[in-house]
Amino acid sequence: GAVVSQHPSRVICKSGTSVKIECRSLDFQATTMFWYRQFPKQSLMLMATSNEGSKATYEQGVEKDKFLINHASLTLSTLTVTSAHPEDSSFYICSASLWGSNEKLFFGSGTQLSVL
Amino acid sequence: DQQVKQNSPSLSVQEGRISILNCDYTNSMFDYFLWYKKYPAEGPTFLISISSIKDKNEDGRFTVFLNKSAKHLSLHIVPSQPGDSAVYFCAASRGGGTSYGKLTFGQGTILTVHP
Repeated sequence: GAVVSQHPSRVICKSGTSVKIECRSLDFQATTMFWYRQFPKQSLMLMATSNEGSKATYEQGVEKDKFLINHASLTLSTLTVTSAHPEDSSFYICSASLWGSNEKLFFGSGTQLSVL
Repeated sequence: DQQVKQNSPSLSVQEGRISILNCDYTNSMFDYFLWYKKYPAEGPTFLISISSIKDKNEDGRFTVFLNKSAKHLSLHIVPSQPGDSAVYFCAASRGGGTSYGKLTFGQGTILTVHP
């Protein structure tokens, strides 16, 4: 099946720093990618929809200035957590769809962010 | 507000037996439901789905049942195999193809199949 690569898999940073997470579709082009977040013992929550060549669409309650999304090409979307704080510590995971279908929604392996 | 709930954090089953994973939802606007399987250090992978116009969908050892009146769906795995041991997520969407990728997930159920 299609592969979505996400890096880094784990990052530990100091409070106040910014962290960039990359999501790449390796063998297909994805005009749309999705970013999810999962807090411990909670479900995956959609944060934003990343559209190639245009601004991301954020879900209610997600700060767009805090979580900067850039979808510069058909195979790459990045999520930057700006001025990270301990409460931003979470599991972040991206996904991309082949053929615009939920059945063909492929996920990256996720990034565990820990902010000290 | 947890719109999709998997109330059992874990399930343990003997190899060869049936595994039944349950999922409840509260939003009546959901019209498409999916199950994903996740192994450690990997992203979730699609397993099976069902549209709200159906009450059952079968794919090999996996069957999903939907009870719209109860807002409940379940995933049956028969027979269970040790390789099925993983975290299973229930997910829901609304609006059909126009909302692809915008899934509401449950918390997941850890399935362990013992040899």
